[in-house]
Amino acid sequence: GQNIDQPTEMTATEGAIVQINCTYQTSGFNGLFWYQQHAGEAPTFLSYNVLDGLEEKGRFSSFLSRSKGYSYLLLKELQMKDSASYLCAVRGGSYIPTFGRGTSLIVHP
Amino acid sequence: EPEVTQTPSHQVTQMGQEVILRCVPISNHLYFYWYRQILGQKVEFLVSFYNNEISEKSEIFDDQFSVERPDGSNFTLKIRSTKLEDSAMYFCASSEMGGLADNEQFFGPGTRLTVL
Repeated sequence: GQNIDQPTEMTATEGAIVQINCTYQTSGFNGLFWYQQHAGEAPTFLSYNVLDGLEEKGRFSSFLSRSKGYSYLLLKELQMKDSASYLCAVRGGSYIPTFGRGTSLIVHP
Repeated sequence: EPEVTQTPSHQVTQMGQEVILRCVPISNHLYFYWYRQILGQKVEFLVSFYNNEISEKSEIFDDQFSVERPDGSNFTLKIRSTKLEDSAMYFCASSEMGGLADNEQFFGPGTRLTVL
């Protein structure tokens, strides 16, 4: 089966940097996604990693290590609007994505 | 900016009734998806659809569920005989590419289904 682990909740200060970790155990691997989801809204795509290494997109970066079954999402220069749930999703060998429970990030002034 | 739209935003139905949830994907996208999210729980993949066929489906997507692209724009999810546990937010998504390509999926705003 598939197992995705990420912290339930994190807090950080406006302007700071935060790293949200995700570890996974899957049968096969066909990519890892990060999504942002504000309460009551749909998920918004942030990043997709299928090869090892760091992908940078503006204030957000995502890292993948397939051998360690590990990824992180790095958010820089945090803003209040970054308060949301961050979802890690892994596509296993079947191409079906499995989502983690999400990490609720609270950004305070 | 193009977006995925879904109707209705909220559907209330009686247990055992059929419901059809509608989605209009982004016009040049070729891959379509349905997900659901039970309140307070994680997002769950239901099905992916490409070239008028189901590409992948999860264990949740049993015989009670079906998808269709009845015309060039709509993508529908039908639940034949709803159960209480089908109550959830249903999200439609579409992407330009699929497979191992960088398939950024664009989600619609969701339909909240309440089964009484």
